[in-house]
Amino acid sequence: DIQLTQSPSSLSASVGDRVTITCQASQGIANFLNWYQQKPGKAPKLLIYDASNLQTGVPSRFSGSGSGTDFTFTISSLQPEDIGTYYCQQYGNLPTFGQGTKVEIK
Amino acid sequence: QLQLQESGSGLVKPSQTLSLTCAVSGGSITTTGYSWSWIRQPPGKGLEWIGYIYHSGSTYYNPSLKSRITISLDKSKNQFSLKLTSVTAADTAVYYCARRTSYSGRSFDIWGQGTMVTVSS
Repeated sequence: DIQLTQSPSSLSASVGDRVTITCQASQGIANFLNWYQQKPGKAPKLLIYDASNLQTGVPSRFSGSGSGTDFTFTISSLQPEDIGTYYCQQYGNLPTFGQGTKVEIK
Repeated sequence: QLQLQESGSGLVKPSQTLSLTCAVSGGSITTTGYSWSWIRQPPGKGLEWIGYIYHSGSTYYNPSLKSRITISLDKSKNQFSLKLTSVTAADTAVYYCARRTSYSGRSFDIWGQGTMVTVSS
């Protein structure tokens, strides 16, 4: 199994802040990494695929970067509607998810 | 607009079999480039991929669950199903069905709303 380690596990930031989440893979996965947002009580929503490609309809304040083992997800200006938990997911092998990062508003 | 809807038993006794179905509307499960997945989330915890099936019938399962899982397709009803045998309390979770696409990073791009399954006597 390819393990994904996300950090931090939770964060609290103010509206307008830049927020960054990292995801580290236990072995190289090229750019085979996706990011999801999950709001409380809802199904996850795809935001970023192939490490850096924005899914259709997703606001441009969301972005992703990285390759190999180290990946970054960024919200350029945090909005109140962005609260939730964010997950990375790899497909270098059978799919696995990171443990999630809970984002709250300060 | 493709939609997925899970259905099945919400309460299962320990050692019995969990059975869920995902009905697909607004598109066909035989469309090339997609596979059909199950993912679960225990209360308060993260996401765990269970497995997926292609329209050809080929399946891929999470190794940790492989001995207990069967995922199958019903093309006539445009739906797919999950069976998980010998359940324990550890299998209590929200179960999601999802479409996995080959066109956007082999991602899970469309999800059902999820269905809560509780394992309890």
